[in-house]
Amino acid sequence: DTEVTQTPKHLVMGMTNKKSLKCEQHMGHRAMYWYKQKAKKPPELMFVYSYEKLSINESVPSRFSPECPNSSLLNLHLHALQPEDSALYLCASSQDPLGYNSPLHFGNGTRLTVT
Amino acid sequence: DQQVKQNSPSLSVQEGRISILNCDYTNSMFDYFLWYKKYPAEGPTFLISISSIKDKNEDGRFTVFLNKSAKHLSLHIVPSQPGDSAVYFCAARGYGGATNKLIFGTGTLLAVQP
Repeated sequence: DTEVTQTPKHLVMGMTNKKSLKCEQHMGHRAMYWYKQKAKKPPELMFVYSYEKLSINESVPSRFSPECPNSSLLNLHLHALQPEDSALYLCASSQDPLGYNSPLHFGNGTRLTVT
Repeated sequence: DQQVKQNSPSLSVQEGRISILNCDYTNSMFDYFLWYKKYPAEGPTFLISISSIKDKNEDGRFTVFLNKSAKHLSLHIVPSQPGDSAVYFCAARGYGGATNKLIFGTGTLLAVQP
């Protein structure tokens, strides 16, 4: 069982919809991440939150808006997405934002389809 | 520009034998390396890691070797089991050191035949 919980597992949305992906961890980790994974490709980093502050934005389009309400929760707000945004969205957390000897623990992802 | 590469897209091994998965990287500033296993419809699961000050780390059936001069790491699984069949990703911590930014390789699909 994963200790990082993501909801929903599947999401289908139209290009004009607004939806949110949610992620929760209760391991006391102080860094949280959003990754995007397309089929047969490696996960690609989108955002990093360190101590609830956004520390990295990998030049992600503004139609993706992250939010970290507290140290256990991470949201990804979606608006006006394109079909090419369809992918598996993975949330992860790690104990130490600096990362040394601090592996990322991933959730099972949200499979997003944009129609 | 793929900084972390896994040149074998797939590998097939007999149950009980050794599986060797390889990974090459280009950036000499990477200082922490990890292996993840991924089943379909699940997120990656952390397996084992190694810091750049070591050349070997072992955890049960899994051993990771790091050759810094060659910019190469490998994961050995002994003995291989059918449940090990999955996609394996190596990952390297991005240079700059300020944040835990992992860069993943392209993955190798391991099939362990009973």
